[in-house]
Amino acid sequence: DTEVTQTPKHLVMGMTNKKSLKCEQHMGHRAMYWYKQKAKKPPELMFVYSYEKLSINESVPSRFSPECPNSSLLNLHLHALQPEDSALYLCASTRTSGNEQFFGPGTRLTVL
Amino acid sequence: QKEVEQNSGPLSVPEGAIASLNCTYSDRGSQSFFWYRQYSGKSPELIMFIYSNGDKEDGRFTAQLNKASQYVSLLIRDSQPSDSATYLCAVNKGGADGLTFGKGTHLIIQP
Repeated sequence: DTEVTQTPKHLVMGMTNKKSLKCEQHMGHRAMYWYKQKAKKPPELMFVYSYEKLSINESVPSRFSPECPNSSLLNLHLHALQPEDSALYLCASTRTSGNEQFFGPGTRLTVL
Repeated sequence: QKEVEQNSGPLSVPEGAIASLNCTYSDRGSQSFFWYRQYSGKSPELIMFIYSNGDKEDGRFTAQLNKASQYVSLLIRDSQPSDSATYLCAVNKGGADGLTFGKGTHLIIQP
């Protein structure tokens, strides 16, 4: 089973709002990731959590704040975003054996 | 600097023919190589991965890796219209490392 779930599917927010994206997997995967994908561009890595610890932060602005409450859950807290942050936000996870990353369906974020 | 290069296309292939997609990478420390298929508006779907030099076959798909040439390819046999999508090549150094993606090749299978 390689299912990764993400909520919400769509999110529209103003620049002064605070919102959170949620990602969940119940497969015992050892690492979880956040990627950002703009239209007609490839996904770009934002954060990596390995065994619930933040291991990679790709110089992402502080208005994006990741959180890994437990081994199954990954959140991305959003605050004071800009219109250029509108994108598809993808969560992925990696099995304990092997390096394959499986993506969730994504959250389509629009910042007004 | 990590870099993955792909021809953006579009690559147009007749139905039933073999589609050949290519990718080169610059980081010699790369250990794991992946092909994802992405339909418009959807998330990437893993279709092949390869870690060792040579060929790896799965159904109609064959991935080929040549580490000396820093080259990865994907062959799709008996192409179907449903194979029309953007194909993303991705690499990493293994473990929990993030993926570096190429810009993707837009493949069109013509009925």
